[in-house]
Order: sequence, then C-alpha cells, then structure tokens
Amino acid sequence: GAVVSQHPSRVICKSGTSVKIECRSLDFQATTMFWYRQFPKQSLMLMATSNEGSKATYEQGVEKDKFLINHASLTLSTLTVTSAHPEDSSFYICSVRGGIGTYNEQFFGPGTRLTVL
Amino acid sequence: LAKTTQPISMDSYEGQEVNITCSHNNIATNDYITWYQQFPSQGPRFIIQGYKTKVTNEVASLFIPADRKSSTLSLPRVSLSDTAVYYCLVGTSGNTGKLIFGQGTTLQVKP
Repeated sequence: GAVVSQHPSRVICKSGTSVKIECRSLDFQATTMFWYRQFPKQSLMLMATSNEGSKATYEQGVEKDKFLINHASLTLSTLTVTSAHPEDSSFYICSVRGGIGTYNEQFFGPGTRLTVL
Repeated sequence: LAKTTQPISMDSYEGQEVNITCSHNNIATNDYITWYQQFPSQGPRFIIQGYKTKVTNEVASLFIPADRKSSTLSLPRVSLSDTAVYYCLVGTSGNTGKLIFGQGTTLQVKP
C-alpha cells in the first residue's frame, strides 16, 4: 500500500495564528486525498476531500474559509488552519485513496497533533 | 453510505480469539466491508476487506453471511499489542471513495 507522511507530527501555536499541515504520498500518485479530524476518545470525522488540481469538497459543517486545502500535486496536499482557536485543537489525519482494484481502501498518515493555546 | 453499528468496547485476554461483529443492515449491492485498526495517536491501518463469505489474511479473518447485513472480524490469539480501536466501514469504490467512520470498538486485551 501507499506510504503517507505528515508534517509536522505535533504543533503548538497561539490563538489567532495560522498553521499549515502537509500530507505527502511518498510512493503513490494520489489524485484524491482526504482530511479527517479526531477529538480525544472520538471517532474520525471526515472534513474534506482533496482532489489534485481542483477545489476541495468540504463536508457539511466544515468551514472552507477556515480550513484551507490545497492539492497542487499528486504527492502533496496541505491543510491550513487559519486563525486557529483552542477549539481547533485536535488530531488531524490525512489519507490517500487507493487505486483501481483497492475497493475503497485508504492509506492513512500518522496524524498531526495540533494544540492551540 | 451504509451506517454501521458495533459494540463500543470489548475485553479479552492474551491468547484468546476475539470476534467483533458489525451490523450494516442497509448495505448496498456494490458495497465492500472494510475493517481498520487504530492505535492511540496514530492514523488507522487497513486490516481486511471482503464482499461475501470468508476472507482471511495474515492478520485476521472476516466472516460475512449470505445476506451481508453483518460481518464479523476475527482476531486469532490476540496479544497485548492488539489493544486498539477497530472500525467497520461499508462503501464502494464506485463513488467518491469517502469513508465515514462510526464509533468503532475499543478492544482491551489483558494479560
């Protein structure tokens, strides 16, 4: 399966600042990536679908102006949390959609822990 | 996307076989059943996927009855390192590829 990395693995920022999280597909050309958010002891919540070369598709209730997604190449998608606030503190996970024949399999990154002070 | 229902938590002891059942009454004809494992502070990891009957790999087995309204993930001889959250998901590759995670089952393996 695809190897997916995220950077940084952990970030602490002050309220009001913006934070960028990178998701890289190291060995697979990913036309589609997904971004999830996970709060402590909760399940993953899909935030958006990131498509290479086009605008991301956001899930209902996710503010697209706050969570900016850019998927400029087949190996890189970025999530920018703009004007972060303490309630944005969470575990952010990206995934890469598998290719033909994988039947909905996704390959997940290790996650990024965001703490907003 | 079909909704899934799993037990919230399960306990087991090392060396035992663990079976986690997932209900998906509204599964569609083209849907596959996929199980993921997640350790704390890590991204989920694919375990196994199936469409019908039985699938087995080096990690687990997946049993799917004929009506496909449920499935059972079987972990043989669990160890402490199998303590994790297990998610059952249902979907098809023909759509957007989105995965909607349910609450998952927290498996606690005790010595």
